Amino acid sequence: IAGITQAPTSQILAAGRRMTLRCTQDMRHNAMYWYRQDLGLGLRLIHYSNTAGTTGKGEVPDGYSVSRANTDDFPLTLASAVPSQTSVYFCASRETNMNTEAFFGQGTRLTVV
Amino acid sequence: KQEVTQIPAALSVPEGENLVLNCSFTDSAIYNLQWFRQDPGKGLTSLLLIQSSQREQTSGRLNASLDKSSGRSTLYIAASQPGDSATYLCAAFGSGTSYGKLTFGQGTILTVHP
Repeated sequence: IAGITQAPTSQILAAGRRMTLRCTQDMRHNAMYWYRQDLGLGLRLIHYSNTAGTTGKGEVPDGYSVSRANTDDFPLTLASAVPSQTSVYFCASRETNMNTEAFFGQGTRLTVV
Repeated sequence: KQEVTQIPAALSVPEGENLVLNCSFTDSAIYNLQWFRQDPGKGLTSLLLIQSSQREQTSGRLNASLDKSSGRSTLYIAASQPGDSATYLCAAFGSGTSYGKLTFGQGTILTVHP
């Protein structure tokens, strides 16, 4: 693994189903982020974590939950998917202590039908 | 709440032209500002990071400036090429009450035609 890995790369999900998007980084960054990207709305922050064991709500947190049990993993869970959650989801990480750049995964394209 | 705006929303230029992309932010309490490039259907690639204490950063044909007091950043692309065609995004990393949040503009879609 080099950088940030997201899985799956794409998924078609039936409405009402539970889904977890996975994100793993190998850079030992303390901060991690989940964004959704929608046409005309840009990238919107869903949840973030400044360090393992802590999480915070972003701009559009409703319907999503996250956990940060360790430094490397930051899964995003949709408890009961709805069509409005159809989007491209990006995970990112950053080392805030050194004030360096953020790195992004390649995204997960999720379609809720 | 931090808001980031990018102007123009789209730009089409002939190859070889120099161009400027604009990014403005409402809350000047930022740690840094980062410019990204996104190709269609792909993830985000970091171009330049400007620390809050810096005025500009350069990488090849790219030069980014930052004026915290006015809440503005610009990305200058010299001698544009068709391969520069992409969406360019700026993002501000907040401090204070916005600490930990990276807020994006909606991007500028750049097309460089031969």
